[in-house]
Amino acid sequence: DADVTQTPRNRITKTGKRIMLECSQTKGHDRMYWYRQDPGLGLRLIYYSFDVKDINKGEISDGYSVSRQAQAKFSLSLESAIPNQTALYFCATATQRQGDPGELFFGEGSRLTVL
Amino acid sequence: DQQVKQNSPSLSVQEGRISILNCDYTNSMFDYFLWYKKYPAEGPTFLISISSIKDKNEDGRFTVFLNKSAKHLSLHIVPSQPGDSAVYFCAAIGSSTDSWGKLQFGAGTQVVVTP
Repeated sequence: DADVTQTPRNRITKTGKRIMLECSQTKGHDRMYWYRQDPGLGLRLIYYSFDVKDINKGEISDGYSVSRQAQAKFSLSLESAIPNQTALYFCATATQRQGDPGELFFGEGSRLTVL
Repeated sequence: DQQVKQNSPSLSVQEGRISILNCDYTNSMFDYFLWYKKYPAEGPTFLISISSIKDKNEDGRFTVFLNKSAKHLSLHIVPSQPGDSAVYFCAAIGSSTDSWGKLQFGAGTQVVVTP
C-alpha cells in the first residue's frame, strides 16, 4: 500500500462544482503539502501545513482551500471549479526529523479535469 | 516568474551513454537543490540533492554539480539505463525551517533512453 494516498485518482467535473481531493498518509510525518503540476510550469505549491491547525498559503492559493483534519489527513477543496484549475494535483509529506530539507514524499496524484 | 528553469523539455540518449540535464536558477537565496524523478501515473520521487556549500554530490550513477557563480546545476547519469526514462524535475529551496518542503520546481525534462 502507498504511504501517501490520494483520492480520487481521476475526476471530471463541470465549471462551478465543488470538488474535494483527499490525502492520507501513514508515514507519521507532521508536514503536508498540496502541489499542482501544469505542462511547462512544473509543480507549484498551493497550500501547506506544518501540523494540525496550522494552515499556510503557498504560491497559488487563490480559488482553493484546505483542511487538516488530523495529522494524517489533508484535503484540498475547490469551492467553485473553473477550467484553468484542470491539472494534476499532488499531495506530499515531509518531516524535519529525517531527510533533506526538500525531501518530499509524494502521492500518486489526482488528475482533475474541469469542463 | 519562474525562479528555476529547465530549458530543455526533452533529452534522448542511448543506453550506456551519459545523460546531462541542466537547470538554472535566479534566486541567490536558495540553499539547497534537488532532483526529482517522475514516471507516468506516479508521483515524483526524490533522487539526489546538493547543498549550496558543495559543488558536487554523487550517489551511484547519479552526480549533481553546482556552479553557484553561474546559478547553474546539472545532473549527470552514467551510464544511462532504460529504467532512467522519466521526467526529471530540478527544484530549489531556502534554508530556513519555514522553507522546509516549499520547493520551487523547474518545468521538467523528459529523458528517453534508447537501446
